[in-house]
Parts: sequence; structure tokens; C-alpha cells
Amino acid sequence: SSELTQDPAVSVALGQTVRITCQGDSLRTYYASWYQQKPGQAPLLVIYGRNNRPSGIPDRFSGSYSGNTASLTITGAQAEDEADYYCNSRDSSGNHRVFGGGTKLTVL
Amino acid sequence: QVQLQESGPGLVKPSETLSLTCSVSTGSISSYYWSWIRQSPGRGLEWVAYIHYSGSANYNPSLRSRVTISVDTSKNQFSLRLSSVTAADTAVYYCARELDYYDSSGRIHGAFDIWGQGTMVTVSS
Repeated sequence: SSELTQDPAVSVALGQTVRITCQGDSLRTYYASWYQQKPGQAPLLVIYGRNNRPSGIPDRFSGSYSGNTASLTITGAQAEDEADYYCNSRDSSGNHRVFGGGTKLTVL
Repeated sequence: QVQLQESGPGLVKPSETLSLTCSVSTGSISSYYWSWIRQSPGRGLEWVAYIHYSGSANYNPSLRSRVTISVDTSKNQFSLRLSSVTAADTAVYYCARELDYYDSSGRIHGAFDIWGQGTMVTVSS
């Protein structure tokens, strides 16, 4: 399968914890990466691999896996975390890259 | 820090060919995979194609018949051509570097760690 499925929208109260999920058969084989995109900006890599953060990404962002589902967790969400979040991985063949449909995160 | 910059026409007529170039600065194009990714207005991200500095390439199956990606290592650039465009090809086009890494079993994975700012391409007569 070449599809990654995300919930279209999620909300979280300021300072609380939120989990954004990404489902797909290929995630049983390939790691996901997660991107934050704010309006008018290019996506920014926030998590890749089992649970790796690029330099400069706050440690409130973390990643995890269960079966065919990858999750991005924000522990203590901040107002500046309000954005669209996309997961990305390879398809089951490993030859092509695929993105999830994106999740709009609202911080209340 | 490596930087990417897309360039090309912002307006393309229907049925014509869209051509974009990504310039890689403050770093070499060698040793990485490089992709084009697009985003239609108000929509999600769509991977278009990748190329390795060696010249090997792969394409989104839904676009394969219309897409060509190429690399010029002497200029530290890679390019995208998308033929027979329609309004559905109107999008912000991003170029991105893929960081590849291996798991404990030796399987390769990737993540797009560096992105260009994106360039808006409108298909209209």
C-alpha cells in the first residue's frame, strides 16, 4: 500500500499533551518522519526515525510506533505549535515516497 | 548549512511544460537523494520525484508519464520538467534534500531534512 492516513484535525489545550497519528501498511517496514508546516512556510522536519529530533527542535516533540501506526506526541503544547503536521515514509516497495494527508493542530 | 533555492516561471500555459531548477548552495549535491515535492493550494504535500547525484531517479506513479528529473553536479543543481500541464498542476513546488539513515537491520530509511522556500507555479492561459 502507498497510503498514509492522518486525522484531518486535532485540538489540544495549552500546556496539555496531544498525539497525532499516521497509519499505513508501509510503516510496519519503514520509519515515518514528521513535518510541521505553518502558513506560508516550507515544512520543517521535527521527528525522524524511531524517535530522532533534528537540532533545534524542542524536546516536547517525540515519536513512537505501534504496529502500522506512527505517532507524533507533543508534551506540553505551546501556542507556537499550532500548525499542520504531515507524516512521510516510503511505500511498501521502498522505491517511492508518500505523505499523509496532514493534520491541522489547534492549540486552545 | 546547505540551502536550497527553487527557480523557474511562475506562470505556465495549459498543455505546455513546467520547468524548475533547484540550486544547492553551501554544500555539495553529492552523496544525497534530492526530491521535488508539491502542494496544491489548500491541500497536502505530494512527492513528485527524486534523483540521486549519480543520476538514478524515481517518480510518483501518478505522474510518471509526464515527469523528468535530472541533476547537474557541475552546477550543483537538479531540475524538474512536467509536461502537458493542466490547472491541477498549479501548486507550490518545493525542492528538498533527503537524509538517509539505516536501522539496526541495515534497512535504509529517509527524511526530508532541508527544504527550499518553495515556488508558486500557476497553470493558466
